[in-house]
Amino acid sequence: IAGITQAPTSQILAAGRRMTLRCTQDMRHNAMYWYRQDLGLGLRLIHYSNTAGTTGKGEVPDGYSVSRANTDDFPLTLASAVPSQTSVYFCASSELAGGPYEQYFGPGTRLTVT
Amino acid sequence: AQKITQTQPGMFVQEKEAVTLDCTYDTSDPSYGLFWYKQPSSGEMIFLIYQGSYDQQNATEGRYSLNFQKARKSANLVISASQLGDSAMYFCAMREGINTGNQFYFGTGTSLTVIP
Repeated sequence: IAGITQAPTSQILAAGRRMTLRCTQDMRHNAMYWYRQDLGLGLRLIHYSNTAGTTGKGEVPDGYSVSRANTDDFPLTLASAVPSQTSVYFCASSELAGGPYEQYFGPGTRLTVT
Repeated sequence: AQKITQTQPGMFVQEKEAVTLDCTYDTSDPSYGLFWYKQPSSGEMIFLIYQGSYDQQNATEGRYSLNFQKARKSANLVISASQLGDSAMYFCAMREGINTGNQFYFGTGTSLTVIP
């Protein structure tokens, strides 16, 4: 069982470029999430989706967009990257019923915007 | 106001001793879940333990236990008999109920170092 896969593992991106981070889960979880992790700030929620076809904004959504066309995939797009988006990005998924609903995390994508 | 507060940026513990990592939370939702995750230096996020807001007993998982004090809104993680492999970042998190958006909130983390 792969769980959650993310691609790429790491990326160096020029400012102003468009970038899509990929996330795929094979657990058929309803909910999926994108976080960014920055030193001293913990994990901050960017966007989430409780079911295919719906998305919601988290704590730090500006500059990012997501889509949820099906249950398994939840790509995160940076339309025009800026240096402040340099971070480690984690995708996660969870079930919504049956408790305790813990999140399962992908291995992360390390993004550097220059 | 912060949803999750971890006030200990760094902690040290002697091997084989117990250590408590503090976490306080803020919510008006009567239905919520509290989680602790471990992040070793390799970077992956590892789920450790869960406590539901309606659970009467403190959660335990092996050497991990969660000291849940609902009135104080605290959910401290207790690690007993610390091992060198416990050295890592530890994050407290809260999930509010489905009716309030099903969002998760994480604290800023505590870096635990186990000393041989």
